[in-house]
Amino acid sequence: SQQGEEDPQALSIQEGENATMNCSYKTSINNLQWYRQNSGRGLVHLILIRSNEREKHSGRLRVTLDTSKKSSSLLITASRAADTASYFCATDNTDKLIFGTGTRLQVFP
Amino acid sequence: DAGVIQSPRHEVTEMGQEVTLRCKPISGHDYLFWYRQTMMRGLELLIYFNNNVPIDDSGMPEDRFSAKMPNASFSTLKIQPSEPRDSAVYFCASSSGGRNQPQHFGDGTRLSIL
Repeated sequence: SQQGEEDPQALSIQEGENATMNCSYKTSINNLQWYRQNSGRGLVHLILIRSNEREKHSGRLRVTLDTSKKSSSLLITASRAADTASYFCATDNTDKLIFGTGTRLQVFP
Repeated sequence: DAGVIQSPRHEVTEMGQEVTLRCKPISGHDYLFWYRQTMMRGLELLIYFNNNVPIDDSGMPEDRFSAKMPNASFSTLKIQPSEPRDSAVYFCASSSGGRNQPQHFGDGTRLSIL
C-alpha cells in the first residue's frame, strides 16, 4: 500500500495565487521529498526535508513537516501557468521511496 | 549533463510478445530504480539495484517480469510473455547514495499491450 496520501487530489487556481498541497504518511521516516511531474515526463525532485527539520524553503516553494501528525505541506507562492503539473510526496523506507497518490495542480493564466 | 535515458519512449506490441525496456542511469550514480505508473495504482517500485546488485525485487508483480543490470551504465526490464494488464508507463530512476538522496527520473517508456 502507498505510504503517502496527498490532499487535495486536484486543485485549480489562477496565476498569482498560492497553492497548498498536503501529504499524510503512516510510518516513521528519515526524510520526506516532494516531486513534480509534468504531463508525459518523468518526476523531477523539488525539495527534501529531514525528519529533524520543520520547515524548508527553495525559491517559491515552502515545505513544512510535522512528524507528530505524520504530515507535510507544500506551498507554491505566486503560482505561474508553468507550475501546472502533478505533485507527489515521497517518504523513505530504507533505500526505497514510497510515493503518494499525487495532487494535480492546474494554474490558469 | 545527460540525465537518465530510457528507450524506447513508446512501445506497442501484441499480447504474448517479449518486451525489453532499457535504461542508462546518470554516470556515477550507484542506485537504480524501476517503477511502474498507472492511473489505478499510481507509482509503484518494482525493483532496485545498488552497485549493479538487485537489492529488493518485492515489487515485481510476477515471474513474467525480470530485471538485470550487467554494468553500472545499463539496465533492462523484461516482460515475457506480455499481457494487456502490463500496459503502463515504466520509469527508471537513479541516485547517488540511497536514503536521504533525491532520485533522478527518465521520461519513461509508455507501454501498450494489445
